Amino acid sequence: LAKTTQPISMDSYEGQEVNITCSHNNIATNDYITWYQQFPSQGPRFIIQGYKTKVTNEVASLFIPADRKSSTLSLPRVSLSDTAVYYCLVGQSGTYKYIFGTGTRLKVLA
Amino acid sequence: GAVVSQHPSRVICKSGTSVKIECRSLDFQATTMFWYRQFPKQSLMLMATSNEGSKATYEQGVEKDKFLINHASLTLSTLTVTSAHPEDSSFYICSAPGTYEQFFGPGTRLTVL
Repeated sequence: LAKTTQPISMDSYEGQEVNITCSHNNIATNDYITWYQQFPSQGPRFIIQGYKTKVTNEVASLFIPADRKSSTLSLPRVSLSDTAVYYCLVGQSGTYKYIFGTGTRLKVLA
Repeated sequence: GAVVSQHPSRVICKSGTSVKIECRSLDFQATTMFWYRQFPKQSLMLMATSNEGSKATYEQGVEKDKFLINHASLTLSTLTVTSAHPEDSSFYICSAPGTYEQFFGPGTRLTVL
């Protein structure tokens, strides 16, 4: 199971784009990269998932370089409600045994 | 997307009693479910893998006799904290795997007095 490393915390202002980078040097060939968001006293919520290059959905973009040893979650124009902890996870689609790292505590300021 | 529920959402119990937490997959079947524990300001820690029809697999350092897991059907897994003590107070979260990601329950806040 790949270990992930993220910044412990980040601050941003409303309306800015936020990029959170995750390092996963030991990612395996079959591993996908998945990002989750967690609010206090709630379960994690799926944001986005990718295998390589770029993935975009209605809430975020995920950039994955060719070597897949890192990934960057991009949140466009954040709002106060985006204040949460963001977790980067890697795992095989058939295994699902996630080991959570520290996550990144994002604080969006007015 | 798929929905996972937990019951109860919060429970307060006296030290020495046992508490059962239910995890249900509402619109899909799950032969495997996962149980996590989360202390304040900390990350989720995987406790065990619940397997339908067979014994659970516990992570290193997790007492299997204290945290009893039963996965009796394809939509229900239960975690029983036996002889709970104040240090067991935590946020317990379950999840069930989809095709590519996990679907997490809303969590259960356990407070042991």
